[in-house]
Amino acid sequence: AQSVTQLGSHVSVSEGALVLLRCNYSSSVPPYLFWYVQYPNQGLQLLLKYTSAATLVKGINGFEAEFKKSETSFHLTKPSAHMSDAAEYFCAVRVYSSASKIIFGSGTRLSIRP
Amino acid sequence: TAGITQAPTSQILAAGRSMTLRCTQDMRHNAMYWYRQDLGLGLRLIHYSNTAGTTGKGEVPDGYSVSRANTDDFPLTLASAVPSQTSVYFCASSDGQGSLTDTQYFGPGTRLTVL
Repeated sequence: AQSVTQLGSHVSVSEGALVLLRCNYSSSVPPYLFWYVQYPNQGLQLLLKYTSAATLVKGINGFEAEFKKSETSFHLTKPSAHMSDAAEYFCAVRVYSSASKIIFGSGTRLSIRP
Repeated sequence: TAGITQAPTSQILAAGRSMTLRCTQDMRHNAMYWYRQDLGLGLRLIHYSNTAGTTGKGEVPDGYSVSRANTDDFPLTLASAVPSQTSVYFCASSDGQGSLTDTQYFGPGTRLTVL
């Protein structure tokens, strides 16, 4: 069975600082992994996805994530935080037994300090 | 294009009453999904449909039913609401038939409170 764990329900960084949101996965087969962002009172929007083509995946708004099999991680990073990055971020993994299913992590709320 | 629309935006419902949450997409996507979002639990899949005429159960299907009469619409029905169904409900769609690399697109959500 596939699952994801997000470390830290709330992360706060200063504007201009590095953003690092942690996600570890559990999967006995090569995983398909996603990062979604949710702005206040909105639905989820895809940031990026890993489909085994490349271990470093670049997404929208300057975010990227690196798939590390040895660490079973898929952490999300951005070199310089912007106030507009304040949102909830969800890591997710596709379930092999049913391709229709995505398992979401519990989410990490990112706050940006001026 | 509008993408995915959901109605109502929010609703307060008495326990025991029935309600249908509406979801319509204009992207001609084959697959559609219903999730509920609860604090600290992320999103959990309630039901899904890979194509018109078919549906499947997700992680938390009890107390909910769906139908998929056509490509565009995927209503979610609560036959007899209970307070534990208080949540934010998101409808989503994807452009494949649920393939592993599909991207899911989400609607704006319906906030439901069951008293």
